[in-house]
Amino acid sequence: DTAVSQTPKYLVTQMGNDKSIKCEQNLGHDTMYWYKQDSKKFLKIMFSYNNKELIINETVPNRFSPKSPDKAHLNLHINSLELGDSAVYFCASSQHLGEKLFFGSGTQLSVL
Amino acid sequence: GENVEQHPSTLSVQEGDSAVIKCTYSDSASNYFPWYKQELGKGPQLIIDIRSNVGEKKDQRIAVTLNKTAKHFSLHITETQPEDSAVYFCAAPRGYSSASKIIFGSGTRLSIRP
Repeated sequence: DTAVSQTPKYLVTQMGNDKSIKCEQNLGHDTMYWYKQDSKKFLKIMFSYNNKELIINETVPNRFSPKSPDKAHLNLHINSLELGDSAVYFCASSQHLGEKLFFGSGTQLSVL
Repeated sequence: GENVEQHPSTLSVQEGDSAVIKCTYSDSASNYFPWYKQELGKGPQLIIDIRSNVGEKKDQRIAVTLNKTAKHFSLHITETQPEDSAVYFCAAPRGYSSASKIIFGSGTRLSIRP
């Protein structure tokens, strides 16, 4: 069973559209994250939730809205997609904040 | 990347030789230093980590060293094999425990020449 699973794996869409990426972890972890990886492979944290509570919110446009319905799920909704949003988005989880991260396989978002 | 500096950005070594990747960090409160390996089309995966109360840790062909005074830590891979080809990231926590976040270095693309 996949520990951290995110869907879809690929997402191709037009500028201006709204899209969502879903993430689920079956590890029983308290903390979940969204990271963005750009074309140069640089990994930057976007959000972190601990027990459904938002605890880290980096300088991310408010077009990005995370939602955590329960401890095992953290979804990312993006409004009014822009060309610069094209990247690979990784969901991750850890037992506690700042500890070993378990990553999903990524969602490659292409905005045309 | 936000006070975790990683070098080199690319590294090519002959199969069987050793590879060394170095990182520096700025937050003196950092106490946990993981290394992640990212293969093509996959998410990063932890390969080894070290806490600040030790200076070195080894796991088969992989070792990590930590110099807290100089705020340096390094990844050493010995007897490199083709499957070691990947992008490697160092990382360090930043901030207080209630809002600590893992900050990644900029990555090193390691290529193993046959």
